[in-house]
Amino acid sequence: DAGVIQSPRHEVTEMGQEVTLRCKPISGHNSLFWYRQTMMRGLELLIYFNNNVPIDDSGMPEDRFSAKMPNASFSTLKIQPSEPRDSAVYFCASSFYQGGGEQYFGPGTRLTVT
Amino acid sequence: LAKTTQPISMDSYEGQEVNITCSHNNIATNDYITWYQQFPSQGPRFIIQGYKTKVTNEVASLFIPADRKSSTLSLPRVSLSDTAVYYCLVVLSGGFKTIFGAGTRLFVKA
Repeated sequence: DAGVIQSPRHEVTEMGQEVTLRCKPISGHNSLFWYRQTMMRGLELLIYFNNNVPIDDSGMPEDRFSAKMPNASFSTLKIQPSEPRDSAVYFCASSFYQGGGEQYFGPGTRLTVT
Repeated sequence: LAKTTQPISMDSYEGQEVNITCSHNNIATNDYITWYQQFPSQGPRFIIQGYKTKVTNEVASLFIPADRKSSTLSLPRVSLSDTAVYYCLVVLSGGFKTIFGAGTRLFVKA
């Protein structure tokens, strides 16, 4: 398996623009997680899905952030409109729900909002 | 979720054994202890997980005392490539909500 795939790997955009980050989880995994990592705040869990259903989005910072998982092999995290403080590395992770929570992380998307 | 406390940083030399201790005083009955490793510019990578006593795999050992209020990750004979940030997490059985703390930055010197 190729592991968790994220695209793009790098994104530079201007304030106010819409940004869409994409994630393909590992085949057979039924849980998906979006994280954000910054130097100041560390690694923060934004939202997680189980069987394509959002379970907890309490980590989503604002209404400007939204996430979807239309099927088991694809998820998006959208920021609209983007702001400079959204600059961070965004990670997607997937796991097989069997207890314990071992998650497999993707390589991340480095987002820079100018 | 139980809060975890671990040292901010540690230094070691190649070939030494490194032990990183994590405190989780409020761990609940159904919680597991999980450790991740993160290299610069990469996502975290699962290392090991345990519930009680000792767990060992090809990478590390995890020691958990009977009261489960702390745990120790043991890395045998570290090399320069083990320089990374190590995160201790307490995860509810079922493993959905995961809270990463600040982690321990391990620096291995030659």
